[in-house]
Amino acid sequence: QLQLQGSGPGLVKPSETLPLTCTVSGGSISSSGHYWAWIRQPPGKGLEWIGSISYSGNTYYNPSLKSRVTISVDTSKNQFSLKLRSVTAADTAVFYCARLYCGAGSCYLDHWGQGTLVTVSS
Amino acid sequence: QSALTQPASVSGSPGQSITISCTGTSSDVGGYDYVSWSQQHPGKAPKLMIYDVTYRPSGVSNRFSGSKSGNTASLTISGLQAEDEADYYCSSYTSYSTLYVFGTGTKVTVL
Repeated sequence: QLQLQGSGPGLVKPSETLPLTCTVSGGSISSSGHYWAWIRQPPGKGLEWIGSISYSGNTYYNPSLKSRVTISVDTSKNQFSLKLRSVTAADTAVFYCARLYCGAGSCYLDHWGQGTLVTVSS
Repeated sequence: QSALTQPASVSGSPGQSITISCTGTSSDVGGYDYVSWSQQHPGKAPKLMIYDVTYRPSGVSNRFSGSKSGNTASLTISGLQAEDEADYYCSSYTSYSTLYVFGTGTKVTVL
């Protein structure tokens, strides 16, 4: 059974970089047709797609965040990571890591992590 | 790339049927049969209910069904139950560089 476990600091200071890591267990991160995604949800608001990465390193970013975001993958550790730079209070959110399956006539988010609350505050 | 448009709220009485719409463009909802619907209860991660417009994952009740016409997809919940009260999000593959996009979300209330 595939599981995704996000981890990172619960509190980040304004203007700093928010780092999160998602560890994948029960399956390989290097599987074809799968993309590893970051999604966030500000308190009381909807889901926002941040971006995703394939195991080969191809990245796809939300244009509204692209200038501040880097998503990377470490296949040796079965992990992928998010860095969000120059954060402000508006970046306070629950951050989810998830797996997107896109292949063979199909495309959907089939596995989610539990979510990590990150608060931006001094 | 804008979010897909959903009504903010939909309500119904137990046993009734409700339908939630999700409107996009020909670059996402209208162009591909890759629309999904997820259910989210407070404090929980979203759960996949419908994928590829009409398909239900194993374990999801057949009271949930999906359809699409043009640039608008729909989720219908029949035989509404108290446990269906939650937020629902549509999502879709998009031909834009971002790859994937969410809807604005709909709060379903069981009266």
